[in-house]
Amino acid sequence: DAKTTQPPSMDCAEGRAANLPCNHSTISGNEYVYWYRQIHSQGPQYIIHGLKNNETNEMASLIITEDRKSSTLILPHATLRDTAVYYCIVRVSSGSARQLTFGSGTQLTVLP
Amino acid sequence: SQTIHQWPATLVQPVGSPLSLECTVEGTSNPNLYWYRQAAGRGLQLLFYSVGIGQISSEVPQNLSASRPQDRQFILSSKKLLLSDSGFYLCAWSYGTGRNQPQHFGDGTRLSIL
Repeated sequence: DAKTTQPPSMDCAEGRAANLPCNHSTISGNEYVYWYRQIHSQGPQYIIHGLKNNETNEMASLIITEDRKSSTLILPHATLRDTAVYYCIVRVSSGSARQLTFGSGTQLTVLP
Repeated sequence: SQTIHQWPATLVQPVGSPLSLECTVEGTSNPNLYWYRQAAGRGLQLLFYSVGIGQISSEVPQNLSASRPQDRQFILSSKKLLLSDSGFYLCAWSYGTGRNQPQHFGDGTRLSIL
């Protein structure tokens, strides 16, 4: 699985968009980008994933650069409940019977 | 929609006592099932995974075991707990192999060994 690099922490004002970056310069052609988050004392929560096209669901949008070496998770209207550690993971398939490796992630703090 | 249930949420056990944690999935059939452990301040460690009833693969040698008696039921057990077994235990499911679907996690069990 390709290595990912994320900023250790970010702040965002409530109601504003939160843009969380992730670098994955060694990503290979068949690797997907997955985003999870973990709120303190809870299990990780799947957010979104993509291969090369931008993706959007009810939680967030995922923007992947054309060269696929970086991506950005966008929470369009951050709320206090979005305060969590956000993890960017690159791997062939999260659904295969292999370990999910979480790095240190980005601590997002949404401020009132 | 699919849901995953884990219980209990918290557990305090003495050293040497047995353990049984249960996980069930609803809304899908023949899922891949996983048990992870997350030690304080550390990442997830895959303990076991299962691709079908009675099929268990162990990733790390330890005094824990897993069983899958039914399609959507996954159990983590120990005959004698060690202090080092303390941690946050997470069950997860995903669709079967060959699909790029994500793993979905339960709310976890926080296990403290005294």
